[in-house]
Amino acid sequence: KAGVTQTPRYLIKTRGQQVTLSCSPISGHRSVSWYQQTPGQGLQFLFEYFSETQRNKGNFPGRFSGRQFSNSRSEMNVSTLELGDSALYLCASSLEQGANTGELFFGEGSRLTVL
Amino acid sequence: SQQGEEDPQALSIQEGENATMNCSYKTSINNLQWYRQNSGRGLVHLILIRSNEREKHSGRLRVTLDTSKKSSSLLITASRAADTASYFCATTGGGNKLTFGTGTQLKVEL
Repeated sequence: KAGVTQTPRYLIKTRGQQVTLSCSPISGHRSVSWYQQTPGQGLQFLFEYFSETQRNKGNFPGRFSGRQFSNSRSEMNVSTLELGDSALYLCASSLEQGANTGELFFGEGSRLTVL
Repeated sequence: SQQGEEDPQALSIQEGENATMNCSYKTSINNLQWYRQNSGRGLVHLILIRSNEREKHSGRLRVTLDTSKKSSSLLITASRAADTASYFCATTGGGNKLTFGTGTQLKVEL
């Protein structure tokens, strides 16, 4: 069974640009979550999608958005990039109930550098 | 924001020794999970303990949970060099999301 796939793995952008990151969950998993990891703030929850609907949202500005498609694949978008957006962005998938009842399966992450 | 602190921040031991790391959290929880992360890579789930459980084992891992003290500990017995990684506790308490601790960096030397 293939794991969670995130693309691209590495990318470099400049301030003011926007970026789209993609996540393909494990087959059969319908819940997809996104987390940001930085040295200063650690691991922080961005949002969670289930059946194409955002089910939970973390405390991030509106520049951070996401969506989920009918095949459960998810994308997240960051607009008007700032230097502080440099981070490892992790996607996780899980069965229907997600973290409340079971483990999350994480991808290898997309490392974003903003110059 | 992060749920709480992990202690110690860094731990260096010899292969074969046991490693213990502690996690404290702030609010009521549904469950507490432990994850491992190898240098800048994805997180790997290790073990989940529910709020009504006090202890759980999985292979060389032993997790305890004390909800009255809002704390948990992870014990790795007979450590190996391959256990070198960062370890994070994470809680769920409402909403389908994980709130992570600050992590413990474990180094197991040969």
